[in-house]
Amino acid sequence: NAGVMQNPRHLVRRRGQEARLRCSPMKGHSHVYWYRQLPEEGLKFMVYLQKENIIDESGMPKERFSAEFPKEGPSILRIQQVVRGDSAAYFCASSPGTGKETQYFGPGTRLLVL
Amino acid sequence: AQTVTQSQPEMSVQEAETVTLSCTYDTSESDYYLFWYKQPPSRQMILVIRQEAYKQQNATENRFSVNFQKAAKSFSLKISDSQLGDAAMYFCAYRNYGQNFVFGPGTRLSVLP
Repeated sequence: NAGVMQNPRHLVRRRGQEARLRCSPMKGHSHVYWYRQLPEEGLKFMVYLQKENIIDESGMPKERFSAEFPKEGPSILRIQQVVRGDSAAYFCASSPGTGKETQYFGPGTRLLVL
Repeated sequence: AQTVTQSQPEMSVQEAETVTLSCTYDTSESDYYLFWYKQPPSRQMILVIRQEAYKQQNATENRFSVNFQKAAKSFSLKISDSQLGDAAMYFCAYRNYGQNFVFGPGTRLSVLP
């Protein structure tokens, strides 16, 4: 049973470009969470999605950031017109339900904005 | 809003010794989960141990155990017989039903040979 998969593992973008980060949850998991980790800091919640629905986006910046989890395919975190402050590690986690189950994390995508 | 505090930015321990990492949290809920995650230099988040708030018995996983004090809202992690591979950032996390995780700022653990 493969774990949570994220790609790319490393992404370099110039200011103003778009970044697309992908997350495939564990098999059987229908809940996906995105977190951002700035250097030397803990993980901060961004958005929680189920298939075709955004459940909680309270941690998502209001502009330039969007997320989706389509019926088929991976979850996508999209950052438009990236700025240097977007440089961070972005982690995806998945869980099978809405309860208190453990979230299993992917390896993260390291985004560097030049 | 729930908050998680880790008051020790850095800790060190001698190989084979025991170390305790502190975590406190703030919540008005009575039923929730608490977790310790480890993040080695690879930056992969690895679950170390978890505790259900309604269980009084402290969770244990091999060399890792917790001291869960619900009234004090304290959730410390004890690592026994420390190994070089235990060196990592350790994050304490809280989760309530149907909600996202709230992570503490982390404690960097060094293991000295």
